Amino acid sequence: SQQGEEDPQALSIQEGENATMNCSYKTSINNLQWYRQNSGRGLVHLILIRSNEREKHSGRLRVTLDTSKKSSSLLITASRAADTASYFCATDAGGAQKLVFGQGTRLTINP
Amino acid sequence: GAGVSQSPSNKVTEKGKDVELRCDPISGHTALYWYRQSLGQGLEFLIYFQGNSAPDKSGLPSDRFSAERTGGSVSTLTIQRTQQEDSAVYLCASSGGGWINEQFFGPGTRLTVL
Repeated sequence: SQQGEEDPQALSIQEGENATMNCSYKTSINNLQWYRQNSGRGLVHLILIRSNEREKHSGRLRVTLDTSKKSSSLLITASRAADTASYFCATDAGGAQKLVFGQGTRLTINP
Repeated sequence: GAGVSQSPSNKVTEKGKDVELRCDPISGHTALYWYRQSLGQGLEFLIYFQGNSAPDKSGLPSDRFSAERTGGSVSTLTIQRTQQEDSAVYLCASSGGGWINEQFFGPGTRLTVL
């Protein structure tokens, strides 16, 4: 089964609103990453949070990590139409070099 | 510098034919990964190369799939006797191979098996 599972599977909001996506995982990790994918092609790395960090910011992105609950959230503030994409969390599953991805959240920003 | 490149961008083949997909990683990156993404799904790990170490092939779905990495740079993923269920986007990524494993992805190859 997938290490990471995103919730919700799909999210549709109005431009300017905030979007929150959640990710849960099963095994211990060294770090957790969030990626964005446009149009089903290449992924773009957004942010990485280490297992000893609880919160991290990058521009309009805010990521939290709760290792006790094995969960993470990605918040996009003041959403824009260009944020429309699929968002995936990925974990290193406790030190393995390969990343284990969740199924993703499809985010749609309506103008 | 240039990012990860993949070729071809699209490949349509007939069931039973062999296909080769190519990946050029970012120069200097020691680690290279192949993933597969079926329609509307997450990414499925296939294989991982790190320097001169033996590759991690644990994600290859069958013995019809193989990959090589020549000279620690370019990689080729080969699928023999393609089946319709092989249809997917095949994504390649590379990283510096360090402990912080941020991966840089190519645009992918969309494979369609008729």
